[in-house]
Amino acid sequence: DAKTTQPPSMDCAEGRAANLPCNHSTISGNEYVYWYRQIHSQGPQYIIHGLKNNETNEMASLIITEDRKSSTLILPHATLRDTAVYYCIGGYSTLTFGKGTMLLVSP
Amino acid sequence: NAGVTQTPKFRVLKTGQSMTLLCAQDMNHEYMYWYRQDPGMGLRLIHYSVGEGTTAKGEVPDGYNVSRLKKQNFLLGLESAAPSQTSVYFCASSYTTGNWEDTQYFGPGTRLTVL
Repeated sequence: DAKTTQPPSMDCAEGRAANLPCNHSTISGNEYVYWYRQIHSQGPQYIIHGLKNNETNEMASLIITEDRKSSTLILPHATLRDTAVYYCIGGYSTLTFGKGTMLLVSP
Repeated sequence: NAGVTQTPKFRVLKTGQSMTLLCAQDMNHEYMYWYRQDPGMGLRLIHYSVGEGTTAKGEVPDGYNVSRLKKQNFLLGLESAAPSQTSVYFCASSYTTGNWEDTQYFGPGTRLTVL
C-alpha cells in the first residue's frame, strides 16, 4: 500500500466547498486512490475512488494530479453533517488507514 | 440488504476471558476484514480473508484468531483478553473486480472494554 500524508485538521464554513488534500507519492501504477470518511463513532463510509482520471459522484469530486502523486477531495457545498475524519488511502485490498483529516464544518 | 452487521455492539470482559465477535455480510463479497481502532488513531488491520476457508494476518494479529467457515461470516476470537485489547472493532467486506478495484463496506463497530 502507498503511504499517504494528510493535514491533521481543516475548517470549512457551511455552504462553502471543502478541499481536502492528500499526498501519495509512493503510489504504484495499479493502485487506486480511495477516500473514506468516519463520522464520530460510526464505521468508515466509502466516498469515492479513482485511478488516473478525475471522478465525481453524488457525494464528492476527486481530482488526481497527472503524476498521481497527490489528490484532492472536494465536497462542493459542505454541510454540518460533513463534519468527520476523512481518510485518503492508496492501495489495494489490505488498506492502511492513517489518522486522516478532521474536517470541521461550522455554521 | 442489511450490508455488514456486527454482533455484539458492546461488550465488557475481564482479563483472561474469551469471546468471539461475529461479522456478517449479505452482499456476497469475497473479501472480509477485521480492524481495530484505538482512541484518536486510524484503523489497523488485524486479520483478513480473501475467500471462504482462507485467512491471513494483517498489521496487528497477535492475541486474535479468525475463522471464515462460511462466505458470509467472519469471526474474530480473543482467547485470553487483555486490557490492551480494549478498542473499537470494525468489520468490513469488499468485492474485488480483479482489476485492483476494491471498495470496502464497514459495519457499525463493536466496542470492547477489557478490565
